[in-house]
Amino acid sequence: KAGVTQTPRYLIKTRGQQVTLSCSPISGHRSVSWYQQTPGQGLQFLFEYFSETQRNKGNFPGRFSGRQFSNSRSEMNVSTLELGDSALYLCASSKGQRSGNTIYFGEGSWLTVV
Amino acid sequence: SQQGEEDPQALSIQEGENATMNCSYKTSINNLQWYRQNSGRGLVHLILIRSNEREKHSGRLRVTLDTSKKSSSLLITASRAADTASYFCATDMDSNYQLIWGAGTKLIIKP
Repeated sequence: KAGVTQTPRYLIKTRGQQVTLSCSPISGHRSVSWYQQTPGQGLQFLFEYFSETQRNKGNFPGRFSGRQFSNSRSEMNVSTLELGDSALYLCASSKGQRSGNTIYFGEGSWLTVV
Repeated sequence: SQQGEEDPQALSIQEGENATMNCSYKTSINNLQWYRQNSGRGLVHLILIRSNEREKHSGRLRVTLDTSKKSSSLLITASRAADTASYFCATDMDSNYQLIWGAGTKLIIKP
């Protein structure tokens, strides 16, 4: 079956603009998580959605937001972009119903803010 | 904040040698997972070990878990150039399903 699909793969934005990234989870997966990864920083958890509800949230400013649709697809939005927002944004999906679920990652969206 | 701490941060070995990476964590966990990330790509799940397990194998991978020391190790035997990647451990420690990630170990296999 198809894996986690993220679009776009690469994008360049200007400071102050906003950006929307999209994630289509594996069919049947109801949990979608978003992560930010910058060089040398590891994975920073943004938020997790399950059945259209935000279930967990990381320590990011309110400029970072997300949502999940009834078909489990998810989007994340970053408003008023800053240079420091340049990163690889990873989406991951899982069945999400219990501890120990394997999560499956997409290939990520590379965001460059200039 | 990060719960897992991988050690070493970077490791460079010759092809054919064994590679060992360690992960330490701070609180009690339900499970610990290891993932691999090739440069600039998404992460791929390698293996999950539950808190009541001590050792698990998958092909050339061997994972151990010592809950008394709050640490885990990932051993890759007979390394290959294709094993060059970053390796992350992730723990989940409560019922909110959120994984806590370490900073990763960058493994380089020299041909």
